[in-house]
Amino acid sequence: DQQVKQNSPSLSVQEGRISILNCDYTNSMFDYFLWYKKYPAEGPTFLISISSIKDKNEDGRFTVFLNKSAKHLSLHIVPSQPGDSAVYFCAASENNYGQNFVFGPGTRLSVLP
Amino acid sequence: SQTIHQWPATLVQPVGSPLSLECTVEGTSNPNLYWYRQAAGRGLQLLFYSVGIGQISSEVPQNLSASRPQDRQFILSSKKLLLSDSGFYLCAWRPMQLDSYTFGSGTRLTVV
Repeated sequence: DQQVKQNSPSLSVQEGRISILNCDYTNSMFDYFLWYKKYPAEGPTFLISISSIKDKNEDGRFTVFLNKSAKHLSLHIVPSQPGDSAVYFCAASENNYGQNFVFGPGTRLSVLP
Repeated sequence: SQTIHQWPATLVQPVGSPLSLECTVEGTSNPNLYWYRQAAGRGLQLLFYSVGIGQISSEVPQNLSASRPQDRQFILSSKKLLLSDSGFYLCAWRPMQLDSYTFGSGTRLTVV
């Protein structure tokens, strides 16, 4: 049973518009979440994190929202750029020290010029 | 600064042959080290992690093994590869005081 789900395998967005990538989880003990971005044939790179004491964290064009009651988080990219085209992974852990992260299956984002 | 090296970048191996993928970390000590696999159409699956020299935890039963002979070295091995071992293998490290993984550049393994 997948503990971290990204139900949209792919998403296409026009350049300049908002990209919204969703992630759902089943383990109520998860309280720390990461988003990673991955280009083909490269390792994932860290984008942004959020802990359960917050419901929003912002870093430049990237904002992550957390709804603990719904066990749902989302990554917003505004404005979307062609260089944002990549696979985005959501990951979760029970705390940010010592526990291993569980990754979702990823969503492939295509930003169209 | 801390860096992570993973090699080789690509590898084509016949079924039944052995495997050895190496990962080293520089600029840190006592990191947590991880091996992940990304199979086609799937997410990142944790294979092994290590919190110290000689300490290996396996997350899923499989045809692979891992070893940590030195503090900053993590090796993924197999005695006999299967076709199903094909995939993209990623090494990652995580210092205890920081809150995210840093991944290596990955190894694309094709078993033929």
